[in-house]
Amino acid sequence: DGGITQSPKYLFRKEGQNVTLSCEQNLNHDAMYWYRQDPGQGLRLIYYSQIVNDFQKGDIAEGYSVSREKKESFPLTVTSAQKNPTAFYLCASSIVRDRGNYGYTFGSGTRLTVV
Amino acid sequence: GQSLEQPSEVTAVEGAIVQINCTYQTSGFYGLSWYQQHDGGAPTFLSYNALDGLEETGRFSSFLSRSDSYGYLLLQELQMKDSASYFCASLDSNYQLIWGAGTKLIIKP
Repeated sequence: DGGITQSPKYLFRKEGQNVTLSCEQNLNHDAMYWYRQDPGQGLRLIYYSQIVNDFQKGDIAEGYSVSREKKESFPLTVTSAQKNPTAFYLCASSIVRDRGNYGYTFGSGTRLTVV
Repeated sequence: GQSLEQPSEVTAVEGAIVQINCTYQTSGFYGLSWYQQHDGGAPTFLSYNALDGLEETGRFSSFLSRSDSYGYLLLQELQMKDSASYFCASLDSNYQLIWGAGTKLIIKP
């Protein structure tokens, strides 16, 4: 079955440590996205990529980095520069050039906690 | 800029009908989508309206009025499993979804 796989499901980070969240999709979607969600809040866009080897900053990119070396993969690194990284991180993908039904498919999320 | 406004919380009774509203301000408009998210889970796509009118998918319907910059999600025959947060979202000119802050639906027996 096609879908998006995020790993790990839970991640604990020490102060000053970089961590990388994995996101893999086998839907053959062009576009991939990373969102951050804080408790009781909506989704905020961190980074997105519409094509391999290209990505754009979202609304809250500071303290994060991404790469898109393969169509299927879009890992997110939470760097030590991100001062408040505890949150629920969601990866999504979509067909980018269709202005019709542009339903996003989401992974199951990674819950990151700073300890 | 673009923004979508929706109520933060709505309460309804099991078996009843509930409507969740969404008003939007966008520089261009490419349709309105609705997503459901259960606590601790990922959002799942529910429906999409590109044109005015009602789209029906089982117990869920979504309505759009472009002249009023307004849409709503209608849930009928409410079940306890419908307790979740519901987000409206609209595409911007860069093909990015702009999200509302979400409406938490509380269902009472």
